[in-house]
Amino acid sequence: GDSVTQMEGPVTLSEEAFLTINCTYTATGYPSLFWYVQYPGEGLQLLLKATKADDKGSNKGFEATYRKETTSFHLEKGSVQVSDSAVYFCALSDRRSGYSTLTFGKGTMLLVSP
Amino acid sequence: NAGVMQNPRHLVRRRGQEARLRCSPMKGHSHVYWYRQLPEEGLKFMVYLQKENIIDESGMPKERFSAEFPKEGPSILRIQQVVRGDSAAYFCASSALPPSGQGANTEAFFGQGTRLTVV
Repeated sequence: GDSVTQMEGPVTLSEEAFLTINCTYTATGYPSLFWYVQYPGEGLQLLLKATKADDKGSNKGFEATYRKETTSFHLEKGSVQVSDSAVYFCALSDRRSGYSTLTFGKGTMLLVSP
Repeated sequence: NAGVMQNPRHLVRRRGQEARLRCSPMKGHSHVYWYRQLPEEGLKFMVYLQKENIIDESGMPKERFSAEFPKEGPSILRIQQVVRGDSAAYFCASSALPPSGQGANTEAFFGQGTRLTVV
């Protein structure tokens, strides 16, 4: 079945450092790809998404490009802030009979220090 | 417009008891999904419901687990005779339309989750 693999955390960075969180996927179709973020004590929020190959999703300084040839959707940010500390989940949509459910990776915790 | 509301946030049950988790979708949303996050695991899809209908329960354990989304009131995930292995975070999400991956109305919004601990 479909699966998502993302790098294990925690990832610890200093403020203004460059961030990469790797995500690769296995899917039988052409899924849409997502990054969700979970801040402490809150639910998951959609951070960005891409629906087809070579699409780039971006939001709040974060970017990820849908790479079909490498089945990857790595999350990047040029300069992280303390407020970016959270758990980040990579996910894909699994289209079934006209609707989709989400398959998630295990999540990567990001800790940013001042 | 309040977001997806789940309660309780934390639930402790002894082995053999029943756990009832509630989810109120966002206003105007008629599609609800339940996911489970076991320790050190990603979220796993459990069930997808529309009002009064279960559309896909392929991720639900065959026994002890049930879900409903009545015409009035919240969606309920019920776990009967809980065991220690049921300890997990249970997340609910809702959307206005089936999430086919296209368009803003298909986005699923998540609640804060219910953390179930079985002792």
